[in-house]
Amino acid sequence: GENVEQHPSTLSVQEGDSAVIKCTYSDSASNYFPWYKQELGKRPQLIIDIRSNVGEKKDQRIAVTLNKTAKHFSLHITETQPEDSAVYFCAGLEGGDDKIIFGKGTRLHILP
Amino acid sequence: NAGVTQTPKFQVLKTGQSMTLQCAQDMNHNSMYWYRQDPGMGLRLIYYSASEGTTDKGEVPNGYNVSRLNKREFSLRLESAAPSQTSVYFCASSTRQGVYNSPLHFGNGTRLTVT
Repeated sequence: GENVEQHPSTLSVQEGDSAVIKCTYSDSASNYFPWYKQELGKRPQLIIDIRSNVGEKKDQRIAVTLNKTAKHFSLHITETQPEDSAVYFCAGLEGGDDKIIFGKGTRLHILP
Repeated sequence: NAGVTQTPKFQVLKTGQSMTLQCAQDMNHNSMYWYRQDPGMGLRLIYYSASEGTTDKGEVPNGYNVSRLNKREFSLRLESAAPSQTSVYFCASSTRQGVYNSPLHFGNGTRLTVT
């Protein structure tokens, strides 16, 4: 299987509702769990991250939670707004401290 | 402080031609990466360099070579371009903070078309 799996691949939510994207990893050496946002035609940019010694981190409407036992971490966006429409990627390690690979991405649509 | 700079921004090649994509970072990062992004395929790692003087294969290395010229610069070479290499290429850099990885900083990308 893939070392970094992301679900769902597409997500549509009503403006104002919450969105949750989940990422599963397999490399036990992973200790850093980031989420990137990519707007159309732009480069990916970090929106939030968490280290393995923390279970949850919040930044305004965005949060990341980590379940080390189950090897997954999730991105939570509350009170979604039109500008949240983008593709979101999680990243993790594959077989080494510096080999960083990405999930396949989640396209988030915010419906008016 | 420019971050990660990639050149060129756009390139059109004919099948069989060669070219080198340039990448430089001014953040004193140890690690540098090359990814390609195809529609619906996400970001796939081509090659990476964990430190000056080392390079390693990623998920899709075939058809590419890399050079870590110094700590700042990491180039990607296509020796004989193929239409399957039509993609957007991103260079990125990062460094470790103690035992932890840290965020990737991306360049603006190179849009390559091979006809």
